[in-house]
Amino acid sequence: AQSVTQLDSQVPVFEEAPVELRCNYSSSVSVYLFWYVQYPNQGLQLLLKYLSGSTLVKGINGFEAEFNKSQTSFHLRKPSVHISDTAEYFCAVTAVGSARQLTFGSGTQLTVLP
Amino acid sequence: DAGVTQSPTHLIKTRGQQVTLRCSPKSGHDTVSWYQQALGQGPQFIFQYYEEEERQRGNFPDRFSGHQFPNYSSELNVNALLLGDSALYLCASSLQGSSYNSPLHFGNGTRLTVT
Repeated sequence: AQSVTQLDSQVPVFEEAPVELRCNYSSSVSVYLFWYVQYPNQGLQLLLKYLSGSTLVKGINGFEAEFNKSQTSFHLRKPSVHISDTAEYFCAVTAVGSARQLTFGSGTQLTVLP
Repeated sequence: DAGVTQSPTHLIKTRGQQVTLRCSPKSGHDTVSWYQQALGQGPQFIFQYYEEEERQRGNFPDRFSGHQFPNYSSELNVNALLLGDSALYLCASSLQGSSYNSPLHFGNGTRLTVT
């Protein structure tokens, strides 16, 4: 079984500042890792994913994340945030070869302040 | 190209009642997964349907059941509703056998309130 811990439930940050949302996972098997964003009253939208290869992955809206196997982490970063980035962000994991059964963290609310 | 559509968007039920939620997958997708997202929590996997059969199931009681139709649409049924069943129910679709480079597509969810 897999588990995901998102270390910060809320992250306030000023517009144009950098941000990092932290995610740690636990698994006894190889995993794929994902970050999703959820805007109010909407479903989940995929920001980026790590499947294999380069540990630095780039996603939509200027976000990137780095997979660190030794630290079992997959932190999400953006060098300069905008008001429109205000949303809930979820880190998720699934075992390699599984049929897309995702295990999600409890989420981080990113609030970008003017 | 329509994405994943769910109905209704909101629903209020009383404890002990039964509810049915509906999902139409994205065009070209044949697999439907259901997730429960309680307030302030991340989504939790309920089950997945492919070829009209339940293929995987998360840690949910038998009160939660589902169905998939030949057109790939799906229903989630919850019997004997409890207050704790109040949540946002998300449907996600995918194409069986596709790689993870082809992501899950989520609907906007059905907000169920049990009073």
